[in-house]
Amino acid sequence: RKEVEQDPGPFNVPEGATVAFNCTYSNSASQSFFWYRQDCRKEPKLLMSVYSSGNEDGRFTAQLNRASQYISLLIRDSKLSESATYLCVVVTGNQFYFGTGTSLTVIP
Amino acid sequence: DGGITQSPKYLFRKEGQNVTLSCEQNLNHDAMYWYRQDPGQGLRLIYYSQIVNDFQKGDIAEGYSVSREKKESFPLTVTSAQKNPTAFYLCASSRGIWNEQYFGPGTRLTVT
Repeated sequence: RKEVEQDPGPFNVPEGATVAFNCTYSNSASQSFFWYRQDCRKEPKLLMSVYSSGNEDGRFTAQLNRASQYISLLIRDSKLSESATYLCVVVTGNQFYFGTGTSLTVIP
Repeated sequence: DGGITQSPKYLFRKEGQNVTLSCEQNLNHDAMYWYRQDPGQGLRLIYYSQIVNDFQKGDIAEGYSVSREKKESFPLTVTSAQKNPTAFYLCASSRGIWNEQYFGPGTRLTVT
C-alpha cells in the first residue's frame, strides 16, 4: 500500500469556485503534514503546513483528520493564477512522502 | 537573498558518461535532499543528508552518488550505472529532518 495517495484529478473549476483536495496516508504514526504547489516544469513550493487543529491562510484552509488518516486543502474563491498541481506531503519517521499531486485548472 | 540554487538548468549528456549536478543553499539548513521526478509521477527520494559528512540512501539510490563535505553543498553524481537517467532532478533543504523542505529550481537532465 502506498504511503500517500491523492486523486490525480484533473479538477477543472470556474474562477471564484471553492475546491477541495484530499490526501490519505497509510501510517498512523505519521507526524507532520504539508501542502505544496507545483507549477508546470517548476519546483514544488511550500503552500502551508497542516496542524492538528486545522489552519487557515487567507483563502486556503488545511485540515488533518488523524482518525481517518487524511489531510485536506480547501481553496475558496479560486483564482486563475492558482492553476497548478497540488502535492500533499506526509512525514513518517525521518522520511518525507510526496503524493503524486492533484491537477487544478481554474477556468475564466 | 537566501535560497537554494541548482545548476545547470538544462543538461545534456551522452549515454555512458557520469554527470554531476550542483546544489547549494545559503539558508543554514542542516538537512539536504535529492529527488527525481518523471513525467506524471511523484517525487522519489534518491539520497538525503542530515548533517555534514553523513548521508543516507533513499528509495532509488542505485546508479547515483553524493557527497556532503560542506553544509552548504550537496552535489549529486549520476553515474553510467543508472539505467534511465533522463529526468527532472530537484534538490531541497530543511532546518531539520522533520521540517518543511524548500526546493531549488531543478535540473533537467537528458541522456541520449
